[in-house]
Amino acid sequence: TQLLEQSPQFLSIQEGENLTVYCNSSSVFSSLQWYRQEPGEGPVLLVTVVTGGEVKKLKRLTFQFGDARKDSSLHITAAQPGDTGLYLCAGTTTSGTYKYIFGTGTRLKVLA
Amino acid sequence: DTGVSQDPRHKITKRGQNVTFRCDPISEHNRLYWYRQTLGQGPEFLTYFQNEAQLEKSRLLSDRFSAERPKGSFSTLEIQRTEQGDSAMYLCASSSGTGGPRSSYNEQFFGPGTRLTVL
Repeated sequence: TQLLEQSPQFLSIQEGENLTVYCNSSSVFSSLQWYRQEPGEGPVLLVTVVTGGEVKKLKRLTFQFGDARKDSSLHITAAQPGDTGLYLCAGTTTSGTYKYIFGTGTRLKVLA
Repeated sequence: DTGVSQDPRHKITKRGQNVTFRCDPISEHNRLYWYRQTLGQGPEFLTYFQNEAQLEKSRLLSDRFSAERPKGSFSTLEIQRTEQGDSAMYLCASSSGTGGPRSSYNEQFFGPGTRLTVL
């Protein structure tokens, strides 16, 4: 059972455009992370959110955790070719386990 | 570089052979995790250790799979009698382990992965 659904699965946009990636679940998460992964490499941590309603910014990337801690979004402003990659959300459920449940992934391609 | 390291980066083997992968976590990280990622999917949890104790195993971890972390530092993942369905990227991650699941100290940092191809 996939607890975290990401949308869209694929996104191809022109340099300079804005985009939003969504990560949704029917379960409550204790914390939620966003990662970016390049082909053949491991995921690289971008941000962690733990409080409902929390908003974090990382340069042109804005991350939001839903009030009920069941969903999250990643917004990229003025996308650049260097933003190309696989974006993954991951979280720990409220069961007390430390393992991550990963989302299905969003593959982003930014064209120059 | 003091990040998570994995060895080998790539492994090609024939069906039925045994393979072993090694993971060296970030120094002083207490928790170590193994995940498996197949093409086009997000990683799936396999198992994790707190120091040398294996605290949780996924149902994905069949009896052909075994993981160890004998001294609470590096870990090995062994797959016996490999099958073509074992072909995947095997990822290792570590976290400091000083906080609960809601703590940012539980952030997991991933290694580059070991790509396994079973012919």
